[in-house]
Amino acid sequence: DAGVTQSPTHLIKTRGQQVTLRCSPKSGHDTVSWYQQALGQGPQFIFQYYEEEERQRGNFPDRFSGHQFPNYSSELNVNALLLGDSALYLCASSLVDRAYGYTFGSGTRLTVV
Amino acid sequence: DQQVKQNSPSLSVQEGRISILNCDYTNSMFDYFLWYKKYPAEGPTFLISISSIKDKNEDGRFTVFLNKSAKHLSLHIVPSQPGDSAVYFCAATLGNNNDMRFGAGTRLTVKP
Repeated sequence: DAGVTQSPTHLIKTRGQQVTLRCSPKSGHDTVSWYQQALGQGPQFIFQYYEEEERQRGNFPDRFSGHQFPNYSSELNVNALLLGDSALYLCASSLVDRAYGYTFGSGTRLTVV
Repeated sequence: DQQVKQNSPSLSVQEGRISILNCDYTNSMFDYFLWYKKYPAEGPTFLISISSIKDKNEDGRFTVFLNKSAKHLSLHIVPSQPGDSAVYFCAATLGNNNDMRFGAGTRLTVKP
């Protein structure tokens, strides 16, 4: 049973560019959450998607947007990249309203140069 | 706003001894607390949780204690094993609020 799959694993982008990260949830899960983990910090909540809609959003600017597809997979888009966007981006899937049931992917390491 | 704090960035213990990882929080409305373990190049893995209506939850070698008055929780690992070496994150959430707040993590090293 595959867990959460994220792609790509590593990515290098230039300031001002746009990036799309992808996530396939664990089988049976219908909710996808995205987290940003900067170096030396804990994961910070970006947003959560359920039924193809953004349910909740953390304290991130509108440059961060997302999408959920009918098969529950999800994308995270970041526009106008800044150096400070360099981080590990984690996707977590769960059943709706089951925060304790999160399964995390291994993450995408984004480096902005 | 750092609502969940892990003030010890690292901890080193001898195999077989007890590991105690600490976590403090500031938001008294949090009602569910979780510990995650993270190995390098892997995502965090759920370890153990506790509801705010309890003060202790045990699962094998892992026990989480919650002191609501002090807004403090701790994770005890007994006995510690080298395979427990990882980064441990404390997290807290409010009801069905999916904005789970994480601490910065504590790197545990268990020496053989």
